[in-house]
Amino acid sequence: AQTVTQSQPEMSVQEAETVTLSCTYDTSENNYYLFWYKQPPSRQMILVIRQEAYKQQNATENRFSVNFQKAAKSFSLKISDSQLGDTAMYFCAFMNLYVIDKLIFGTGTRLQVFP
Amino acid sequence: DAGVTQSPTHLIKTRGQQVTLRCSPKSGHDTVSWYQQALGQGPQFIFQYYEEEERQRGNFPDRFSGHQFPNYSSELNVNALLLGDSALYLCASSLGGTGNTDTQYFGPGTRLTVL
Repeated sequence: AQTVTQSQPEMSVQEAETVTLSCTYDTSENNYYLFWYKQPPSRQMILVIRQEAYKQQNATENRFSVNFQKAAKSFSLKISDSQLGDTAMYFCAFMNLYVIDKLIFGTGTRLQVFP
Repeated sequence: DAGVTQSPTHLIKTRGQQVTLRCSPKSGHDTVSWYQQALGQGPQFIFQYYEEEERQRGNFPDRFSGHQFPNYSSELNVNALLLGDSALYLCASSLGGTGNTDTQYFGPGTRLTVL
């Protein structure tokens, strides 16, 4: 069974600075997706970024980028130029590829961006 | 382009009652997944519907049941409510033909409180 671990319950960063959120996972599969979702106080789970395991290139979406280390089963999220609107819970999630499957979430990291 | 919608936003029930939650998927999506998110936790997969059938189920009792309609909208039913069923219930939609897995997009959730 797959598991996802987020070891940082809470993080804080000053506006305009850079912060990195950590995620590790365990799987015996070779093909899968990894995701970062953001859940602000409004509760809506918003997709931040997606990484396909078969791609060596790290995914980027504007100020958000990942460091995907497949051998180490590590998938960290870097937020550059942090903004107050980035304050939220961030969840790392795993999904099998090519198999009808569900998302497996970590326990989340609460990120606070302060002025 | 309409996103995923859920109703109601909030719901208060008493133990032993039954509840129905509703979800309309994002335009163009045909697969609906339901998740339960307890306070301070990551979402847990309940089940997934495709072509009006439940095609995968998580570790939830039979008190949790669902339905998908021809227009791809879905309902989650919970019978004999327990205090522990209090949670945020999230619906996610995706495009999931046979053997495909695609990114899931979430609705705003329904907050269920059981007294």
